[in-house]
Amino acid sequence: GDSVTQMEGPVTLSEEAFLTINCTYTATGYPSLFWYVQYPGEGLQLLLKATKADDKGSNKGFEATYRKETTSFHLEKGSVQVSDSAVYFCALTHSGYSTLTFGKGTMLLVSP
Amino acid sequence: DAGVIQSPRHEVTEMGQEVTLRCKPISGHNSLFWYRQTMMRGLELLIYFNNNVPIDDSGMPEDRFSAKMPNASFSTLKIQPSEPRDSAVYFCASSPTASGRSYEQYFGPGTRLTVT
Repeated sequence: GDSVTQMEGPVTLSEEAFLTINCTYTATGYPSLFWYVQYPGEGLQLLLKATKADDKGSNKGFEATYRKETTSFHLEKGSVQVSDSAVYFCALTHSGYSTLTFGKGTMLLVSP
Repeated sequence: DAGVIQSPRHEVTEMGQEVTLRCKPISGHNSLFWYRQTMMRGLELLIYFNNNVPIDDSGMPEDRFSAKMPNASFSTLKIQPSEPRDSAVYFCASSPTASGRSYEQYFGPGTRLTVT
């Protein structure tokens, strides 16, 4: 079955540092890929998505590129802020299917 | 748009009591999902509906859990009787779907359930 593997956290960075959170997946065909973010005490929010190979999703300074050859969708940001502290979830879904397969989440802590 | 609405936001109850969680999906979305989130098990899909019909309830932990969607704008998740191990944050999410396409899910703020 489908699965998503994320790097374990917490990831601890200083403000303005470069961020990478690794995500790899196992799935048949060509799934759509997503990054969700969960701020403390809130629900998950869609951060960005990519629906086909080589697509780059971007939002709020975050980027991720759909790499079919390495089955990866790593999340990056050039300069993190304290307000980026949250839990980040990588997820996938197949066309025609409603359900998402989530990774376990990676906590990011950014200090001033 | 108001987004997905869940109530109550917090629920504290005693073991053995019935608990009902409520969800109003985004208007026009035809898929609805119930999730449970705990530190130990992470985010788990409990059940999902498409056009008000339950499609997959394999994630429902046991018979004490039940979910209904009587119409397109309302769903409930009921636990009877509740147990301390049911303590978690329960999320509802909705999504527009169409044949051959996949869409992102929109999550509600969650209900934090504490069973003592």
